[in-house]
Amino acid sequence: DAKTTQPTSMDCAEGRAANLPCNHSTISGNEYVYWYRQIHSQGPQYIIHGLKNNETNEMASLIITEDRKSSTLILPHATLRDTAVYYCIVRVEADSWGKLQFGAGTQVVVTP
Amino acid sequence: DTAVSQTPKYLVTQMGNDKSIKCEQNLGHDTMYWYKQDSKKFLKIMFSYNNKELIINETVPNRFSPKSPDKAHLNLHINSLELGDSAVYFCASSRINTIYFGEGSWLTVV
Repeated sequence: DAKTTQPTSMDCAEGRAANLPCNHSTISGNEYVYWYRQIHSQGPQYIIHGLKNNETNEMASLIITEDRKSSTLILPHATLRDTAVYYCIVRVEADSWGKLQFGAGTQVVVTP
Repeated sequence: DTAVSQTPKYLVTQMGNDKSIKCEQNLGHDTMYWYKQDSKKFLKIMFSYNNKELIINETVPNRFSPKSPDKAHLNLHINSLELGDSAVYFCASSRINTIYFGEGSWLTVV
């Protein structure tokens, strides 16, 4: 699976959009971009995933560049409960055995 | 209802002891996992089971033995516990594109 690069940390004001970048310059054509987050003392939580089109669900939006070498997770209206470590992961969707390779992630702190 | 539940949530035990962590999922998934999160917060897969068969074993010491009595359960037994086994252990289950994690079991070996 391709390696990803994320900033170590970022702050966001409550109510504002949080834009979390991720670089994955060695991504392969059949690899998807996944985002998970881990709130303190909880298990990781799936957020969203995509291949090349932008995706949106009730939690977030995922913007993938045309060359697929980077992506941005957008939390449209950050709340204090969004404070967590956010992980960007690339993997082949058909790999149903679920070998997610977590990096260090981005520690997001949402402030009042 | 909790989708992936694991017990105990906290476990403090002495070196050399044998302990087990239990995991159950009520999502009807065929695939279950054990992940380990160490003190540096890195999450790493340990085992993956599909339909009760071992699929992934990430060079975990033989002291760790997963047991899957049925598709809904994947238990982790650890023999001869060492200080370095102290970590948070997460059970998980999945369909193809989404993995659901339990809340974790905090293991402290003293």
